[in-house]
Parts: sequence; C-alpha cells; structure tokens
Amino acid sequence: AQSVTQLGSHVSVSEGALVLLRCNYSSSVPPYLFWYVQYPNQGLQLLLKYTSAATLVKGINGFEAEFKKSETSFHLTKPSAHMSDAAEYFCAVSGNTGGFKTIFGAGTRLFVKA
Amino acid sequence: DTAVSQTPKYLVTQMGNDKSIKCEQNLGHDTMYWYKQDSKKFLKIMFSYNNKELIINETVPNRFSPKSPDKAHLNLHINSLELGDSAVYFCASSLDLARGQETQYFGPGTRLLVL
Repeated sequence: AQSVTQLGSHVSVSEGALVLLRCNYSSSVPPYLFWYVQYPNQGLQLLLKYTSAATLVKGINGFEAEFKKSETSFHLTKPSAHMSDAAEYFCAVSGNTGGFKTIFGAGTRLFVKA
Repeated sequence: DTAVSQTPKYLVTQMGNDKSIKCEQNLGHDTMYWYKQDSKKFLKIMFSYNNKELIINETVPNRFSPKSPDKAHLNLHINSLELGDSAVYFCASSLDLARGQETQYFGPGTRLLVL
C-alpha cells in the first residue's frame, strides 16, 4: 500500500523568504514521487517528479525537491517566494503495486505575504 | 489549444437528477482518469481507462458510470444525484498507465453543485 502525508495544511511565508513544503511517503515498492500545483479555479499541473534518477529534482518556477529514502521524504523548496506562488500544492506517490495508481496527499495551501 | 478540456465548467442541479460531464484530450495519450476533489481539496481517484478499457474502479457508488467511446474521450454520467456528490470533478490524462512515472495532465475541472 502507498500513502502520502503532507505536514501542514497551510503554510504562510513572506515574499522573498524560503518556501518549504513537507511531504512524507509510505511505499512497499520503489516509489515515483510528484509535486503538483493547483492555482485557484484551475486543474493541477506538474511542478516536478522523481523517477529514480537524480535524487535532487528541479522543476518549474524555481522549485526543487530532494528524495531522501532514509527519511521517506520528498520536501519541496524554493529559495525565494513570489506572490505568484500562492496556490495549493499536492504531493503524490505512485509505484508498481500490481498496477499503478497515483495517491495524492491532502494538499498544502501556500500563502505569500507582501 | 487546450490539452484536456471538460464541459460543462459549472453544473448546478437538483437532487435526483441525472447529469453527464464530458472530457476530451488532444495529447494522444492512452490513459484517462476521473478524480473527485471535495470541499477540503482532497483529491481521490474514481476511475481510470487505458485505451478504452476500464483499469481502475475505486469504491464509487454505481450511480457513477464512466464511458469511453474512444481513447481521446472519457465521459462521466451520474444518476440520481445526491447532495454529497457536490464537488469538483477533474479529468486527467497520461501517456501510459503501465509506466507509473508518467505525468498526469488535468482539465480545468467541473464544479458540480447539487441542491
């Protein structure tokens, strides 16, 4: 079975500050890990994904995430927050558990203060 | 060009009615999905089709019936709508379900409100 836990349903940062959104996963098979972003009244779009290549993954809009197997984590970071980063962020896991199904976390809402 | 499109964008209806949501993707993908997002933003998969074949069928009331006339289309029909069906329904597609690392491309969502 697979699951994802996102720590913190809401995160608030000041513009220019570091963004850190936490994600821990549980998987009985080698996982594929994703971060998706959802802007208000829109569908989700991929920020980045880990597919067992490099453990440090760079995505769009200056975001990156590091896969840490020992900590079962895949935290999302951005060095300097921008107002346009305000959105809902979803961590997700997939893996071959006799078929592939993507499990999404509950989401973290990022607020950016001016 | 919209990659994954859904119609309608908004749907307001009475309890007990039957309604359909349509989804089309022009990405040439083999796999399509329906997700339900509740008021707390929790996203749960409902169905997945691969090349018109039902692959994933989660524990969803049988009032919900997906139909895939071809691999570019996946429609969702809902019978006897209930208040609890109010949510945002997202269609998505990916290249191939058999490779779990594929990116999913989401439509803009259909906001269903049952009164």
